[in-house]
Amino acid sequence: DGGITQSPKYLFRKEGQNVTLSCEQNLNHDAMYWYRQDPGQGLRLIYYSQIVNDFQKGDIAEGYSVSREKKESFPLTVTSAQKNPTAFYLCASSMMHSGTKNIQYFGAGTRLSVL
Amino acid sequence: QQQVKQSPQSLIVQKGGISIINCAYENTAFDYFPWYQQFPGKGPALLIAIRPDVSEKKEGRFTISFNKSAKQFSLHIMDSQPGDSATYFCAAKPPGGTSYGKLTFGQGTILTVHP
Repeated sequence: DGGITQSPKYLFRKEGQNVTLSCEQNLNHDAMYWYRQDPGQGLRLIYYSQIVNDFQKGDIAEGYSVSREKKESFPLTVTSAQKNPTAFYLCASSMMHSGTKNIQYFGAGTRLSVL
Repeated sequence: QQQVKQSPQSLIVQKGGISIINCAYENTAFDYFPWYQQFPGKGPALLIAIRPDVSEKKEGRFTISFNKSAKQFSLHIMDSQPGDSATYFCAAKPPGGTSYGKLTFGQGTILTVHP
């Protein structure tokens, strides 16, 4: 089955700890995205990548880092600098070719909590 | 300029009724307006989408109405069912270039359909 796999489903972070959220897609999509979801605030873009080895900051990139070494993978690291990391994190991907419907496909999410 | 404002924040409808969710935007360069549906603990999934050269699009019980001059668009769910209970997000996409594929989401509407 083609799709986006996020792991783990639940993650707990201790004070001062960096944690990494995994996102893998087998849809052959060029673009990948990370969103943070908080109640009443919708989805806010953290980082996005349109091509391997390149990525851009979204609206709330502070305290987060990403890498894009492979087309299929776009891991997100929540660093100790992110003081309020508790949220639901969503990874998405989409095609980049012109004429597409620009549909973003989402993973099932990772819920991060602070211990 | 990049915001999309969504209302209401929550909506309760009786089975068989019409659910209406509204969104307003400022950036007239947006060229694609999707609606996503999200069930608890899951990632959002594309429900229906429209381009600004069309005033209405219907897919089954779901209709998007688009008012370009007012910079507003809305989702209508006819004959609402308990299975429609979910969070709905409107979104808007700027045209190509470095922002290609990047979506700006509304704050979300929690729809509850009572049987």
